[in-house]
Formats: sequence, C-alpha cells, structure tokens
Amino acid sequence: DAKTTQPTSMDCAEGRAANLPCNHSTISGNEYVYWYRQIHSQGPQYIIHGLKNNETNEMASLIITEDRKSSTLILPHATLRDTAVYYCIVLTDKLIFGTGTRLQVFP
Amino acid sequence: GAVVSQHPSWVICKSGTSVKIECRSLDFQATTMFWYRQFPKQSLMLMATSNEGSKATYEQGVEKDKFLINHASLTLSTLTVTSAHPEDSSFYICSGAQTSGNTIYFGEGSWLTVV
Repeated sequence: DAKTTQPTSMDCAEGRAANLPCNHSTISGNEYVYWYRQIHSQGPQYIIHGLKNNETNEMASLIITEDRKSSTLILPHATLRDTAVYYCIVLTDKLIFGTGTRLQVFP
Repeated sequence: GAVVSQHPSWVICKSGTSVKIECRSLDFQATTMFWYRQFPKQSLMLMATSNEGSKATYEQGVEKDKFLINHASLTLSTLTVTSAHPEDSSFYICSGAQTSGNTIYFGEGSWLTVV
C-alpha cells in the first residue's frame, strides 16, 4: 500500500507557484521521498527526490518538514504544460504509487 | 536524466497469443527494474520487481506464469504476457533503478490491446 496521501486535485494559475502537499507520516529514517508526474498516456517523469534536506533542481523544489512526516513540491512558475498527475512516493524496496494529485494549470 | 526505453510502444495481438515487451536502460545500469500496469483513469499498479540475474518478485494477485519477467542483463528486462486475453489490455510501464544516485527512471510505456 502507498505510504503517502495527497489531495485529489488542485488548480493553479499560469505563472504562479504551484505548491503540492504530501503526507507521509509513517516514513522511516532512511526512506527517500520521490516525486514524479505523469502526463496523459505517457510514462511517469522523474521530478525530484530527497531524504531530509530541502532540494532544488531545474524543475522544482522539494521542501521536507523537519520531522519528515510531510513534504511539499513547489513548481515556482507553473505553465500549462505542467498540467499532469503528480505522485509523491516513499521509496522502500519498491515504488508504490498512490492516487496522486491532478494539477490543472489554467491561463 | 537517464533514459529508459520500451518497445513496442503500441501492440495489438489476438487473444490467446503471447506478447513480449522490452525495457532497456540506455545510459545506465539498472540492477533492479520494476514493471507496472495502468488501467484508464487509475494509478500505476506495481506488478513485479526484478533483479538482474534472479527471479522476479511478484506482487500479490499477479500471476507469475502469465506475466513472465526476465532480467538477463543490467540493461534489459522483458515482460511476456502469455496467452493474452482482452482483460490484459492495458498500459504497461517499466522503470529502472540506478545502482548509484537513488534515482528511478521510467520508460515511455507500452499500450497493449488484445482483440
């Protein structure tokens, strides 16, 4: 079973920051948090992952709370092409997908 | 990022026949590969985990004799759907885990339609 919970859907205006929350209250000390997104009919695209520290790359930022029980994926300037289902996953010995958050970016 | 390639992207087969889907890690070695399937409007469901040179570990409810997985090398894993039936029609996706860097990359997926 997935170890994460995410809101079912979110909207974001184009150009604004999209903040996608994820709860993973049962995460263990050595388990990473991964974020992927899936655009319709394509394979999931890797976005970012982290363990304890906040992470940033060219796509997004990942903010992990100090107790590691939750995290937030931030797309700093959302575009229409960011419309997708975003999955937050805790890596154990495998990647189990939950239901994800359907992000709709509107003009 | 690293690339995982699946082939074929689309396949249509007759009921009762077998279909093989290949998953290749193009620029990294994947000691572990995962196979998923996804039905319309649903999330990805993990089918099995395969480690190079050993037998795959199947998730509960997935028939290992029907979905044959081979991971013969560090860059290639195959999924064979044997005696396919229309209910096996789905989007099949593989992913490869890099041995270093803790990153897992996904293929583009393969659409299987059984008629």
